[in-house]
Amino acid sequence: QMQLEQSGPEVRKPGTSVKVSCRAFGFNFTRSSIQWVRQHAGQRLEWIGWIVVGSGNTNSAQKFRERLILSTDMSTSTAYMELNSLASDDTAIYYCTSRGPLGRLDPWGQGTLVTVSS
Amino acid sequence: DIQMTQSPSSLSAFVGDRVTITCRTSQTISGYLNWYQQKPGKAPNLLIYGASDLQSGVPSRFSGSGSGTAFTLTISSLRPEDVATYYCQQSYSSPYTFGQGTKLEIK
Repeated sequence: QMQLEQSGPEVRKPGTSVKVSCRAFGFNFTRSSIQWVRQHAGQRLEWIGWIVVGSGNTNSAQKFRERLILSTDMSTSTAYMELNSLASDDTAIYYCTSRGPLGRLDPWGQGTLVTVSS
Repeated sequence: DIQMTQSPSSLSAFVGDRVTITCRTSQTISGYLNWYQQKPGKAPNLLIYGASDLQSGVPSRFSGSGSGTAFTLTISSLRPEDVATYYCQQSYSSPYTFGQGTKLEIK
């Protein structure tokens, strides 16, 4: 069964960084593309970016481009999202998900709550 | 960026009702439209991809249609477990934007 398992909740101060992990089970990680999406409380889903695992190519929304690092470790089938220069508006649940044909997103990780507070 | 507009924003219906949610895009996206169901406190779950293809394991009461800039998600006979927020998403061009969501409740 295809599954993504994310790391636990994080609390950070403004100006610092956070790194969220996403481990894949039950599918060929090296042939996948992992996307990251976030959701502020009660708000719509917001696409952050993606990484093509095999090539390492990345793409991200313009608003994140200067402070986002997407990476993978194929030896552990794990993807990482690092977001720098955190601000209070980065407080949200962050999801990883796998991109399939026609751009469908499935499966999804359980989500990681990142709280940015002084 | 492609703008996504869902209607209605919220909806209340009886068990057994036929429910339709609409998603409009600011430019044509061919059939690159996906629908997700999100229950409170849970991650989104893929229902429909490619505008009209039912994801494996999703009940057949869910269906999708449309092309170009106008799409619909239909639940043929509403069940209590369908209470959730539904999102459309375009996978045509980056950034892959989502609609604002439609919150579905039971009367």
